[in-house]
Amino acid sequence: AQKVTQAQTEISVVEKEDVTLDCVYETRDTTYYLFWYKQPPSGELVFLIRRNSFDEQNEISGRYSWNFQKSTSSFNFTITASQVVDSAVYFCALSDYSGNTGKLIFGQGTTLQVKP
Amino acid sequence: DTAVSQTPKYLVTQMGNDKSIKCEQNLGHDTMYWYKQDSKKFLKIMFSYNNKELIINETVPNRFSPKSPDKAHLNLHINSLELGDSAVYFCASSQVRSLGQFFGPGTRLTVL
Repeated sequence: AQKVTQAQTEISVVEKEDVTLDCVYETRDTTYYLFWYKQPPSGELVFLIRRNSFDEQNEISGRYSWNFQKSTSSFNFTITASQVVDSAVYFCALSDYSGNTGKLIFGQGTTLQVKP
Repeated sequence: DTAVSQTPKYLVTQMGNDKSIKCEQNLGHDTMYWYKQDSKKFLKIMFSYNNKELIINETVPNRFSPKSPDKAHLNLHINSLELGDSAVYFCASSQVRSLGQFFGPGTRLTVL
């Protein structure tokens, strides 16, 4: 069965701190895709990154970076020098590749609060 | 231009009523989805259509019926609304399955 676990329900940091959001996944597929989405207080879901199972290179985009490790089935997300605008719910997701449905299996989400 | 749009954004109704939520995408994608986000923020797939053909129908009550008149539209009709149907419903679309989806702004449904 496919599953995504985000063990951190809520994280609170002070502005400029670095913060890492954890994501652990389970799948029997050898090919799969992982995602991170951001849901700010306004409610929309914003796509942040997609990573396929064959690409374990870490990715950096500005203050955001992602660490993908197949050996531990983890796809963690780090925000460097956090800002108040980073306050949101962050979702990690796994796509149903072998079933060819494209459906996303989401983790429970991590609520990040960045205080000024 | 809005990529994936949903109407209405807010829907407040009484138990037992029937309501519809409309979704349109102008990205030229051939697969569309409905997700439900409950009060604990958990997101779960409900339905998916590919070129007007139903490809996902998760364990959703029969009171929910999706309809896709063409590949740019996927509507959700809900009969006999219940309190537990209160949630945010998101429409999404993708060009190639498994490569991720673009989401609409969501429709917040409140059943009184």
